[in-house]
Amino acid sequence: GAGVSQTPSNKVTEKGKYVELRCDPISGHTALYWYRQSLGQGPEFLIYFQGTGAADDSGLPNDRFFAVRPEGSVSTLKIQRTERGDSAVYLCASSSGGTIYFGEGSWLTVV
Amino acid sequence: KQEVTQIPAALSVPEGENLVLNCSFTDSAIYNLQWFRQDPGKGLTSLLLIQSSQREQTSGRLNASLDKSSGRSTLYIAASQPGDSATYLCARASGTYKYIFGTGTRLKVLA
Repeated sequence: GAGVSQTPSNKVTEKGKYVELRCDPISGHTALYWYRQSLGQGPEFLIYFQGTGAADDSGLPNDRFFAVRPEGSVSTLKIQRTERGDSAVYLCASSSGGTIYFGEGSWLTVV
Repeated sequence: KQEVTQIPAALSVPEGENLVLNCSFTDSAIYNLQWFRQDPGKGLTSLLLIQSSQREQTSGRLNASLDKSSGRSTLYIAASQPGDSATYLCARASGTYKYIFGTGTRLKVLA
């Protein structure tokens, strides 16, 4: 596609529920990133994929968070037993060396 | 801790002014640095990428410089316009992929 696509754009879920956020990177980009951004803050690194493997998942806050990229293209960020503190914008980005391109984000609200 | 600090946090200027946004970082082992623009409720748009071997990059009315020895980067915006109003974020990468973001400078250009 022309840019990084993220779905859903908005998600409201109840505390304790399971959520999946999808990212479709720019075609041909081998590097894929997930970031989380809270209001008034800069994006915070979560995880980085190079191809199908998670090369660095050091930013995942705890074991409720997991991400996959089974075929080296689309990625899914999975959040189990959501908590109100998980409310944020989840940003996906991709790159092919150098410039990094971000999607519009998935706005998650946990009520 | 690899911190990125942006000053000022907010800035309001009349249209036509030249302005400078500052970014400082604690780790001089920098791979590259990017400046991004973020409009309210939107994702990030890359403005300028400065590779570690470079000292500055220019695009239109924007110029970004990088001084690794002092741990600073500046974004210069010439002849500011109301359409420049947004949050500007700098991000540094110490390796080939992991970007650490500042909290941004919220710019408002008054017509």
